[in-house]
Amino acid sequence: KAGVTQTPRYLIKTRGQQVTLSCSPISGHRSVSWYQQTPGQGLQFLFEYFSETQRNKGNFPGRFSGRQFSNSRSEMNVSTLELGDSALYLCASSAAGTGGPEQYFGPGTRLTVT
Amino acid sequence: GEDVEQSLFLSVREGDSSVINCTYTDSSSTYLYWYKQEPGAGLQLLTYIFSNMDMKQDQRLTVLLNKKDKHLSLRIADTQTGDSAIYFCAERPQTGANNLFFGTGTRLTVIP
Repeated sequence: KAGVTQTPRYLIKTRGQQVTLSCSPISGHRSVSWYQQTPGQGLQFLFEYFSETQRNKGNFPGRFSGRQFSNSRSEMNVSTLELGDSALYLCASSAAGTGGPEQYFGPGTRLTVT
Repeated sequence: GEDVEQSLFLSVREGDSSVINCTYTDSSSTYLYWYKQEPGAGLQLLTYIFSNMDMKQDQRLTVLLNKKDKHLSLRIADTQTGDSAIYFCAERPQTGANNLFFGTGTRLTVIP
């Protein structure tokens, strides 16, 4: 089985721009969660999508949004980028109720905002 | 709210056992996880334990859970240089959702 894939792996953007990141979960998994990892704040939960619906949301501003498609692929969007948005963005794939509690992470997208 | 704490650094000699500790505050946690992160990589799921278990063993890995003290540990037997990485513990609260709360991570350095 292929693992979780994330594209692109690296991005450089300028303050004020917007960015879209993509995550393809493991085949058969219907839950995708997004996390932000920074040296200062560590790993923080952004949101979770299950069957195209946002099921849970972390404490991030509305500039951070996401969606999930019928094939379970998910995208997250960050608008009006700030320097502090520079981070590694990770997505996690889970069977979520139809299987075990395992959550598998992708390699991440490294976003640099200049 | 949920708070997960880990010590920041651990150094061990190759061949010794490593023990990485974690404390958490949410007594209603359902599952507790250990992840490994190597430089420039994502998180690799090592193992997890259900909150009503005391111990779980998986090859060189042993997880111990003391639910009364809200203490979780990961023991790595016969530690190898390839085990050098950052190790995160994470808890999944009993809210019916999949969000995980992570500790700060413990950087394990294995000395040859």
